[in-house]
Order: sequence, then structure tokens, then C-alpha cells
Amino acid sequence: NAGVMQNPRHLVRRRGQEARLRCSPMKGHSHVYWYRQLPEEGLKFMVYLQKENIIDESGMPKERFSAEFPKEGPSILRIQQVVRGDSAAYFCASSPGGPGANVLTFGAGSRLTVL
Amino acid sequence: AQSVTQPDIHITVSEGASLELRCNYSYGATPYLFWYVQSPGQGLQLLLKYFSGDTLVQGIKGFEAEFKRSQSSFNLRKPSVHWSDAAEYFCAVGPSNSNSGYALNFGKGTSLLVTP
Repeated sequence: NAGVMQNPRHLVRRRGQEARLRCSPMKGHSHVYWYRQLPEEGLKFMVYLQKENIIDESGMPKERFSAEFPKEGPSILRIQQVVRGDSAAYFCASSPGGPGANVLTFGAGSRLTVL
Repeated sequence: AQSVTQPDIHITVSEGASLELRCNYSYGATPYLFWYVQSPGQGLQLLLKYFSGDTLVQGIKGFEAEFKRSQSSFNLRKPSVHWSDAAEYFCAVGPSNSNSGYALNFGKGTSLLVTP
């Protein structure tokens, strides 16, 4: 079991470009969570998805950020028109449905740097 | 609203000494409580969790934590620290029952430095 896979591990973008971060959950996991970690801060919840559905996006910025978890393929966090304040580590976590749904397994993160 | 406070931003201990990392939470219902560890440049690894039952829980790497409802605390302890324990430690609280998922609310973390 490869665990939660995130790519790219490091991404550099210039202001105004788009960033796409991908997350493949653990095998058998159907729930995906995205978190953002700013320097010297803890992790902040962004969005919770199940296959083809956004369940809770209360932590997502209202503009420029979107997330999806298609029926096939990884979950994607998309940031349009990036700004310097978007520089952060973005972590994905997954969990199974049913028993164990409340134990999240985290990926190694994607570190976005905006120049 | 739920929140997690880790009062100590940095802690330094000598190798072989005991360790206690503090965590206080504010939550309207019975919470699920977690401790995660993050090594530099890495993701988060689950150390232990508390859902119910015995208030002293054992985790991996020799860590344990004690849930004290009266103090709203869930402090992490280790009797003898190893140099490899140097890392960032995060306490987190989550819902015990939710139809809208189990998103965790994290503290800001405590950075542990281990000296020879």
C-alpha cells in the first residue's frame, strides 16, 4: 500500500499562473481532505470531498481556489492566478468510509512557492 | 467553536530526559483527539488517538497521552526522549460523529529540539 500520494512535491509558479496539486488517496479510501500549512502555522482545513462530490468547502477561499475528486483519477486542488500569499505547503489526507472514517492518513505534501 | 491550543511553541529537552507536550482543546461535544508528528519536509504521521474508554492511550514510538476531561487537556508524554524525536508535534481535535466529514482542527504545533 503506497499510502497517500501527492504530486508534485515542489511547485514553483510566478504570480498570475495556475497551480494544480494532485492527491491519490490510499487504496480503499474514498474520502479526501485538503489542508494548507502556512509557515509557523498549523494545518488549516480547506475542503472535504468524496468521489464526485464536495461535502464541506467551508475552509476554501472564495475566489481562485477549487477542488475536485472525479470518479476516476486523483483529487485535484487548483489555484488560479496565484499570488505570493498562496505560498504554502498543501497536504492531502484520506480516510475510508464507515469505520475508520475519522482517522486521517496524510500525504507528504506539496510545497508551492510563488515568485 | 472548536479550537486547539498548544501553549509551547518551542521545547528543548536533553536526550534521555522525559517529555510532556501540552494540548488544551475547546469543543462543544465529546471530541476525538489526536497527536501527529511532522519531521522536516515531511507529512504528518499519526502518533496516537483517543476516542473513548481508558483515558491513558499508548501510541507508537513510546509516546502516550492522557485525556483529562476536567482540564480539557490531552497532553503528550514520553519517558525518555531520543534524538530522532526532534520534530514538530501537532495536537488535533475532530468530531466524534459527523455527517459532514471528520475534518480535524489542529493546534499551531510545538517544535521539539533534542540536545545531546
